[in-house]
Amino acid sequence: AQSVTQLGSHVSVSEGALVLLRCNYSSSVPPYLFWYVQYPNQGLQLLLKYTSAATLVKGINGFEAEFKKSETSFHLTKPSAHMSDAAEYFCAVSDLRSGAGSYQLTFGKGTKLSVIP
Amino acid sequence: KAGVTQTPRYLIKTRGQQVTLSCSPISGHRSVSWYQQTPGQGLQFLFEYFSETQRNKGNFPGRFSGRQFSNSRSEMNVSTLELGDSALYLCASSTDRGQMAETQYFGPGTRLLVL
Repeated sequence: AQSVTQLGSHVSVSEGALVLLRCNYSSSVPPYLFWYVQYPNQGLQLLLKYTSAATLVKGINGFEAEFKKSETSFHLTKPSAHMSDAAEYFCAVSDLRSGAGSYQLTFGKGTKLSVIP
Repeated sequence: KAGVTQTPRYLIKTRGQQVTLSCSPISGHRSVSWYQQTPGQGLQFLFEYFSETQRNKGNFPGRFSGRQFSNSRSEMNVSTLELGDSALYLCASSTDRGQMAETQYFGPGTRLLVL
């Protein structure tokens, strides 16, 4: 089974500083990877996804992530943090269930991002 | 296009009761998945429905069940509620074109508190 590890359950950055949220995956097949964001009392919103078309993926709100096969990583970055970026971020891998034709998401534990003014 | 909607948004129940949560997918989406989110276990997959059939099920007891209607709307039911069932229940829909990179769109969730 595929799995995802997010390093750091809580990350704090100053407003305007670089945001780096780490995600490592384990997969025996080419993975499909996703980053979702969750604001308080809300559901998950897709930030970006890796589908093997390009290793550097650009998403919404200025976020991007780079797929590095050699490091089995898919870290999320943003050059300059904004107060509105404070939220919880989840990395996920798409996991095929054989015979079912059904794909489910396996999530990391999440990283809560705080932005200090 | 309207997003995924879930009702109710908040629910308080007592142990031993049962509860039914509802999810309306994005128009045209035929696959509906359910996830449980708790502080301790994080986001865990419950089950997935497509064309009124459960295609996949996570590792949850039989007290958790669901169904999907012909209009793709889905309900999940939890019987004999336990304190540990307190969680945010998230529903997600997708078009299901059979691609692993398909995006799942999430609703706002139903927050269940079991007393």
